[in-house]
Amino acid sequence: GAVVSQHPSRVICKSGTSVKIECRSLDFQATTMFWYRQFPKQSLMLMATSNEGSKATYEQGVEKDKFLINHASLTLSTLTVTSAHPEDSSFYICSARDTSGNYNEQFFGPGTRLTVL
Amino acid sequence: GESVGLHLPTLSVQEGDNSIINCAYSNSASDYFIWYKQESGKGPQFIIDIRSNMDKRQGQRVTVLLNKTVKHLSLQIAATQPGDSAVYFCAENLSSGGSYIPTFGRGTSLIVHP
Repeated sequence: GAVVSQHPSRVICKSGTSVKIECRSLDFQATTMFWYRQFPKQSLMLMATSNEGSKATYEQGVEKDKFLINHASLTLSTLTVTSAHPEDSSFYICSARDTSGNYNEQFFGPGTRLTVL
Repeated sequence: GESVGLHLPTLSVQEGDNSIINCAYSNSASDYFIWYKQESGKGPQFIIDIRSNMDKRQGQRVTVLLNKTVKHLSLQIAATQPGDSAVYFCAENLSSGGSYIPTFGRGTSLIVHP
């Protein structure tokens, strides 16, 4: 099946710094990618939908100026957590949609564990 | 509405038993459903899907049942193995502008005892 990678897999940063997370579709083109956040023992919560070449669509309650999304190519979307604080510590997961498949099948990355000190 | 944000319910079974994991979805307009398996520290992995024009679909050792009347999905795992231990999520998909927007359910933690 299609492969989605994320980088880094883990990151620890100081409060107030910014962190960039990359999501890549390795063997297919993805016009749409999704960014999720998952707190321990909870479900995945959709943060935003990233569309190649256009602005991301953010879910209600997600600050677009804090979580900057860039989807500049068909294989790469980035999420930048700006001025990170301890409450931003979470597991961030991206997924990419392979529109060439049936039912717009989605493939998930392995996730990025962010810890803000 | 979705019960996201609540802690995960747990299902404990013995190896070899059959497991049934349930999910209630919220939007009667959702027309495509997926079950995912998520192991600790990893992203979700696709297990099986079903469209709303079906009420049952079978895969290898897994069966998904869909009851649109009561907005309920179930995942049945036959002969459960220790490697099946994980958190299982259902996701409902609502078509929007020609694309599907997924919403995850609360998840169930499956623990398989050898």
